[in-house]
Amino acid sequence: AQTVTQSQPEMSVQEAETVTLSCTYDTSESDYYLFWYKQPPSRQMILVIRQEAYKQQNATENRFSVNFQKAAKSFSLKISDSQLGDAAMYFCAYRRGGGGSQGNLIFGKGTKLSVKP
Amino acid sequence: DTGVSQNPRHKITKRGQNVTFRCDPISEHNRLYWYRQTLGQGPEFLTYFQNEAQLEKSRLLSDRFSAERPKGSFSTLEIQRTEQGDSAMYLCASSVSGGFLETQYFGPGTRLLVL
Repeated sequence: AQTVTQSQPEMSVQEAETVTLSCTYDTSESDYYLFWYKQPPSRQMILVIRQEAYKQQNATENRFSVNFQKAAKSFSLKISDSQLGDAAMYFCAYRRGGGGSQGNLIFGKGTKLSVKP
Repeated sequence: DTGVSQNPRHKITKRGQNVTFRCDPISEHNRLYWYRQTLGQGPEFLTYFQNEAQLEKSRLLSDRFSAERPKGSFSTLEIQRTEQGDSAMYLCASSVSGGFLETQYFGPGTRLLVL
């Protein structure tokens, strides 16, 4: 079975600084996708960034980027120029790939990010 | 596009009662997922539909849980004979199936408290 582990229950960053959230996963499959989702307090979960396992190039979305290390099964999220609005729970998630996959996400336990002004 | 909506947003019930939650996905989304999230945990997959067909159920989904998606539109999740352990946030997500580019859009959730 696939598992996702986030070893940092809480993290804190100063506004405008950079922070990295860690995620490791375990799978025996070769075709899969990885995601970071953000869940602000009392608000809906939204997708931050995604990565396809077959792509070696790390994904970037504006201030968000990932460090994908396939051999190490590591998928960390870097937030640059942190803003107050980045404060949220961040979940790392895994999804099986391949045609006809059911598509359900497997989530880690999350990392609560606080941003200090 | 109003996003994924869920009703009710909060539900308090007594142990042993039945409850039903509703999820309205984004129109034209053919996939609909149900997840359960307890305090301090990430969401856990319960079940999913492609159109009206329920294609996968997690082992977490005991016989007391049933989900439907008639006509491939909205979905309902019913819990019979609720137990205190059912207290959680129930999240619904919808998407258009499409491999890597499939993005699940989540609703605000229904928070259930079983007394």
